[in-house]
Amino acid sequence: EAQVTQNPRYLITVTGKKLTVTCSQNMNHEYMSWYRQDPGLGLRQIYYSMNVEVTDKGDVPEGYKVSRKEKRNFPLILESPSPNQTSLYFCASSLRAPPALGYTFGSGTRLTVV
Amino acid sequence: AQSVTQPDIHITVSEGASLELRCNYSYGATPYLFWYVQSPGQGLQLLLKYFSGDTLVQGIKGFEAEFKRSQSSFNLRKPSVHWSDAAEYFCAVGATSGTYKYIFGTGTRLKVLA
Repeated sequence: EAQVTQNPRYLITVTGKKLTVTCSQNMNHEYMSWYRQDPGLGLRQIYYSMNVEVTDKGDVPEGYKVSRKEKRNFPLILESPSPNQTSLYFCASSLRAPPALGYTFGSGTRLTVV
Repeated sequence: AQSVTQPDIHITVSEGASLELRCNYSYGATPYLFWYVQSPGQGLQLLLKYFSGDTLVQGIKGFEAEFKRSQSSFNLRKPSVHWSDAAEYFCAVGATSGTYKYIFGTGTRLKVLA
């Protein structure tokens, strides 16, 4: 089944403890992106990747890192999480950039930083 | 810069009634336009998309949307709503040049009364 897989689905952590949210797609998509969803703000792009080893900042990149060493994987790293990063995170992929064909989304990761 | 507005935060309709969700965008040319649906606890699923051509676009689950250039709108419609359509709906706008920026509206939450 073609899909984007995110792990974990739920995560509660403490301020300052480094964490990684994994994202993997099995559709050979070139373009991958991370979004955070907050009430009343819709989805905001954190980082995106046009292809392997090519990443760039989205609208809200502060406090996040990403890497794209393989085409299928695009992990999101929070080096020192803070409570304002409590949010619902989505990984999404598209066959190519620009995402004119629309995105395939993962099921989301609900992160709580205390 | 492009922007997208979904004026209605919440909409309630009775099962079997017709539905129209509004989406207005701002962009210098005709952008890529999309509607996504997010069921509770799920990621976003693409309902339909518009690039060019016929201004009435058919999607999955019986939804359609009409692009109106003169009104900068891309409203989503369904003739008869089912209880399973209760979800949050997001309009998205993708730029067709430059950085190919892709942004989402803030969403409209649909409630369906039995």
